[in-house]
Amino acid sequence: GEEVAQTPKHLVRGEGQKAKLYCAPIKGHSYVFWYQQVLKNEFKFLISFQNENVFDETGMPKERFSAKCLPNSPCSLEIQATKLEDSAVYFCASSHRHDNSPLHFGNGTRLTVT
Amino acid sequence: TQLLEQSPQFLSIQEGENLTVYCNSSSVFSSLQWYRQEPGEGPVLLVTVVTGGEVKKLKRLTFQFGDARKDSSLHITAAQPGDTGLYLCAGPPNSGNTPLVFGKGTRLSVIA
Repeated sequence: GEEVAQTPKHLVRGEGQKAKLYCAPIKGHSYVFWYQQVLKNEFKFLISFQNENVFDETGMPKERFSAKCLPNSPCSLEIQATKLEDSAVYFCASSHRHDNSPLHFGNGTRLTVT
Repeated sequence: TQLLEQSPQFLSIQEGENLTVYCNSSSVFSSLQWYRQEPGEGPVLLVTVVTGGEVKKLKRLTFQFGDARKDSSLHITAAQPGDTGLYLCAGPPNSGNTPLVFGKGTRLSVIA
């Protein structure tokens, strides 16, 4: 597609429940990025993929967070056993390259953990 | 520590006024990008500046990259309510394949 599509738009989970977020990148873009935007607007890089391979996972929390980009499927970001501090808007972006290339963002998934 | 510092954090002005927002770093960036984010949406790229001293214009918006490539500014002339939003600067912190880091943004409100 011509836009990065993220689903769902909103997700509410009780503490300890699993949350799974989806992202369909722009067709033809090789790189997918996940960022977390918390209340103070700060964008925190989580992970990036080159096609279905993890490219950079330096921002991913070591526990509870995992992500995949499988062929012919939307990319996904999964949080096991959510905590209150996981509440944020999670943005997916795609681009042609990993370095200076502009990022095309989806509209995000707002995760609220209660 | 924040690699990209943006100021001011908040700005509220009347329609028709001019304004400048800043993006500063102690590090050199190979390029900087400016995005605008509106409520409920993802950031949208406005411009990329690459060369030290570069000036780029996008209608009423003027972007400048510092000579030393450590800072950038965004000047808006005759602001309009449609300019309201969160303005973010972003750049790759090291040369090579590193993901973009973002400043915390300037939240601009233009009142009619």
